[in-house]
Amino acid sequence: GIQVEQSPPDLILQEGANSTLRCNFSDSVNNLQWFHQNPWGQLINLFYIPSGTKQNGRLSATTVATERYSLLYISSSQTTDSGVYFCALDDKIIFGKGTRLHILP
Amino acid sequence: GAGVSQSPSNKVTEKGKDVELRCDPISGHTALYWYRQSLGQGLEFLIYFQGNSAPDKSGLPSDRFSAERTGGSVSTLTIQRTQQEDSAVYLCASSLLPPPISGTSGANVLTFGAGSRLTVL
Repeated sequence: GIQVEQSPPDLILQEGANSTLRCNFSDSVNNLQWFHQNPWGQLINLFYIPSGTKQNGRLSATTVATERYSLLYISSSQTTDSGVYFCALDDKIIFGKGTRLHILP
Repeated sequence: GAGVSQSPSNKVTEKGKDVELRCDPISGHTALYWYRQSLGQGLEFLIYFQGNSAPDKSGLPSDRFSAERTGGSVSTLTIQRTQQEDSAVYLCASSLLPPPISGTSGANVLTFGAGSRLTVL
């Protein structure tokens, strides 16, 4: 099956910093989504982005399908951005292991 | 409903007992997914339902696990003869349409329920 790798596994930043999270995948996909899981466990969809670039406030995402990777950018981090960020793809919506982000006040 | 509803939110059971977990997806959503998340881990795919098609059961870890979806709406995940390693949060999600059928991005977006936390003693 398709393999999904996310990096870095953990990231600790000061409030106000910018970050880039990466998702590599092993095969072509027609479905890629980014999710945020908050410290209480709730999963929220951030982007549906099988290709191209999207922006939503301080967050943006880019998927280069031909090179099999996607990037999630978080600018001007806030403590509420803390949690785990997952990319998920393929018809079965297979999840990567996530990037755990800690934003320090 | 307005969101994906899961019940119970917490379940504590004894090893060897059977449990049933329920998922009520967003009304009209044709695709429904079950995942398992152990403490501090990622999401493990279990099973996927799409409309009236046969479900994709390739993620079920053993024959003690089964799931059904009645009338294309509510789904029940059943775990028979529970073991301690079954302890986890079981998450359900739904989407209006599954990939790659949809031509509109919003229809593939997954909405998750709050999960059912299962503890097997």
